[in-house]
Amino acid sequence: AQSVSQHNHHVILSEAASLELGCNYSYGGTVNLFWYVQYPGQHLQLLLKYFSGDPLVKGIKGFEAEFIKSKFSFNLRKPSVQWSDTAEYFCAVSFYNQGGKLIFGQGTELSVKP
Amino acid sequence: EAQVTQNPRYLITVTGKKLTVTCSQNMNHEYMSWYRQDPGLGLRQIYYSMNVEVTDKGDVPEGYKVSRKEKRNFPLILESPSPNQTSLYFCASSLRTGKSPLHFGNGTRLTVT
Repeated sequence: AQSVSQHNHHVILSEAASLELGCNYSYGGTVNLFWYVQYPGQHLQLLLKYFSGDPLVKGIKGFEAEFIKSKFSFNLRKPSVQWSDTAEYFCAVSFYNQGGKLIFGQGTELSVKP
Repeated sequence: EAQVTQNPRYLITVTGKKLTVTCSQNMNHEYMSWYRQDPGLGLRQIYYSMNVEVTDKGDVPEGYKVSRKEKRNFPLILESPSPNQTSLYFCASSLRTGKSPLHFGNGTRLTVT
């Protein structure tokens, strides 16, 4: 079965530190890739998405992600985090060979210290 | 305003007492889905619907039912809730499955005692 892995369960950073959250997926041919963010007590919101084209994708709030097809990875990055980035981050992958089924990673909780 | 509306936000019930969580979207989306969120497990899909009268099981469908009689509504039914269904539930919709981002409701926190 297809799967999505986020290796960091909980990341703690100080403000202004750089962030990189890992996301890997199992081989499955053509995919669409998403990062969602869930602020405390809220629902999930789309941060960014990749369908095709430039593998470096820019999203909202200064986040970006890079699709590396050879590594089956879609890591999320931000050069300088803020306290307001404290949230849980979910990677999600839609596999074409499963009718577009969207599979979520386990989530990474990010805590940013002021 | 485009949104997915879930009700109730919080629900405490007892084992075996049937309940329904409603979900409605106003974006004319074809695809709707229910997820449950549990610590360390991320989001797991319960049921999904590609269009009216078309529903299918997700990864954890046991103990749940759904229906899609109208395009905008996708209620989640627990015929006989059990404590292991205590969780945070999210309804989501998208224009097309897989290709379009999901829009999520605000969630329903269910406690079954």
